[in-house]
Amino acid sequence: QVQLQESGPGLVKPSETLSLTCTVSSGSMNNYYWSWIRQPPGMRLEWIGYVYHNGGTSYNPSLQSRVTISVDTSKNQFSLKVNSVTAADTAVYYCARHGCTNGVCPLDFWGQGTLVTVSS
Amino acid sequence: DIQMTQSPSSLSASVGDRVTITCRTSQSISIYLNWYQQRSDKAPQLLIYAASTLQSGVPSRFSGSGSGTDFTLTISNLQPEDFATYYCQQSYNTLWTFGQGTKVEI
Repeated sequence: QVQLQESGPGLVKPSETLSLTCTVSSGSMNNYYWSWIRQPPGMRLEWIGYVYHNGGTSYNPSLQSRVTISVDTSKNQFSLKVNSVTAADTAVYYCARHGCTNGVCPLDFWGQGTLVTVSS
Repeated sequence: DIQMTQSPSSLSASVGDRVTITCRTSQSISIYLNWYQQRSDKAPQLLIYAASTLQSGVPSRFSGSGSGTDFTLTISNLQPEDFATYYCQQSYNTLWTFGQGTKVEI
């Protein structure tokens, strides 16, 4: 069964860059979309963006100017960078896989999530 | 953006109860609606996709229905492990959005 694991710093200073990596195990990255989702404390889930196995991306317009998602299938990893962070970027960050069936692409496997706090 | 509104925001129930959660979208999304369960401090888990298809391994007491703008998640015979927060999510367009969540409490 596919497993995903987020890794990266848990504390980032304001105005700096948040960087996270998701490692995918027990499965191929090919022919899947891979997303980052975040959840600020006490708030709803927010989709950040996805990367396809070939490197194609799509981002939430509200974050697009600050976000980059990339993939390295040779390492079975995909990554998230968020520039110029503020306290509003404090959240639990999840990586997840889209398991598409007949054009429907739910998030069928998730990482456990990692809390990133933006503070000086 | 497609706005997602769940109701109620929270509810109290007992083991054995039948619970219904509603999700309404700001525009028609056909059946591109998924439901997730999130237990305290855990990652969400997919329950239902395409409005009514049960994800593999999910107990049959969970069911989903609806199309267009109105959708329902029903949990029959509520079990102790079902006390959690439930989210709907639309995948109609590539700006995937979630509802605000419904917390099911004892």
